[in-house]
Amino acid sequence: RKEVEQDPGPFNVPEGATVAFNCTYSNSASQSFFWYRQDCRKEPKLLMSVYSSGNEDGRFTAQLNRASQYISLLIRDSKLSDSATYLCVVRMVGRRALTFGSGTRLQVQP
Amino acid sequence: DAGVIQSPRHEVTEMGQEVTLRCKPISGHNSLFWYRQTMMRGLELLIYFNNNVPIDDSGMPEDRFSAKMPNASFSTLKIQPSEPRDSAVYFCASSAPGLAGSGELFFGEGSRLTVL
Repeated sequence: RKEVEQDPGPFNVPEGATVAFNCTYSNSASQSFFWYRQDCRKEPKLLMSVYSSGNEDGRFTAQLNRASQYISLLIRDSKLSDSATYLCVVRMVGRRALTFGSGTRLQVQP
Repeated sequence: DAGVIQSPRHEVTEMGQEVTLRCKPISGHNSLFWYRQTMMRGLELLIYFNNNVPIDDSGMPEDRFSAKMPNASFSTLKIQPSEPRDSAVYFCASSAPGLAGSGELFFGEGSRLTVL
């Protein structure tokens, strides 16, 4: 079983739509949680951290459910520029390295 | 400011040849990570260094892979001999001290390796 599991998609949505991605992690020792974004043939970049109380950054909202070992990302009012792969990322206690999910691909269409 | 610099950006080689990938982390960063990305397996951690010392190399596939960090500004990942299944994008990333909780790894643009 993979440590971090995501639906690979693709999610094809029209501009302006709201879309949600989910992710589950298997190791209860996971301590920190993040969403990274990766554009086609580019490097991953941090999109946002995920806090226990949930957090919002503009059109993006991240939620964490430790009991269910589940993380989500909600994107409101999708833009064409949101088209990318979204990587769910966890860090285990005592490790600096991050464990990445395989990513969910989003394609926003005009 | 310069980001993480990797070279070469693209490498095509034949099976059995030695491949050396290079990385210059962001100045002041004390952790360096090598990841490999393929369609089938996604992003996998190969090895990471903290203050130039290898901390976790459990992701290194086999003895054909080796990594070094002789100083704070340079690291290499070597594959000898290379095999077609090593074809992937190899990313180097670095992170700053004191940011253990921030989660921000800064990635280079990657080295795309094709082994024929």
